[in-house]
Amino acid sequence: GAGVSQSPRYKVAKRGQDVALRCDPISGHVSLFWYQQALGQGPEFLTYFQNEAQLDKSGLPSDRFFAERPEGSVSTLKIQRTQQEDSAVYLCASSLRITGIYEQYFGPGTRLTVT
Amino acid sequence: GENVEQHPSTLSVQEGDSAVIKCTYSDSASNYFPWYKQELGKRPQLIIDIRSNVGEKKDQRIAVTLNKTAKHFSLHITETQPEDSAVYFCAASTQGTALIFGKGTTLSVSS
Repeated sequence: GAGVSQSPRYKVAKRGQDVALRCDPISGHVSLFWYQQALGQGPEFLTYFQNEAQLDKSGLPSDRFFAERPEGSVSTLKIQRTQQEDSAVYLCASSLRITGIYEQYFGPGTRLTVT
Repeated sequence: GENVEQHPSTLSVQEGDSAVIKCTYSDSASNYFPWYKQELGKRPQLIIDIRSNVGEKKDQRIAVTLNKTAKHFSLHITETQPEDSAVYFCAASTQGTALIFGKGTTLSVSS
């Protein structure tokens, strides 16, 4: 079946611009996660949804970052007033996360470059 | 919060040799430990995982061991092949929530 998809795959933004990154999870997956991966580093947790409820946003680096999943399916990560330090690959993952099924499957990521 | 340490950061082996990557975690509540393989410019791919009620799991050439008491887990790859070359990440999670990743190990397999 179809895996996790993300769009756009690449985004160049000028410092101060707002950006919106989209994630389409695997159909039927209850949980959706956003991670940030800087060059040469491991992914770092940003936020997590179960259906439409945002259960954990402890990893969002500042109040310029905002995520939503209004209908419990597609999710959008928005970054306002982008800064150079926001340049990274933003990864989305989804998981069934029911009855002990914990596997998270990742999308291809959106590479954000802030100039 | 959880902290995951991963060693070594780079590992070079000859084709056919074994490779071992080790991770430690800090939060005793963590109960799910996946390993991901990431090729350059690609998404992380889940290759094997283990839960805290299991000490060892094997899938063909790949095995993972978990020592809950010492809070460490390891990835073992036997009979390495050039296509095993990639960055490998360990991670820890509690009940399938946020994955906390190690910093990664770059594995190079030369033929």
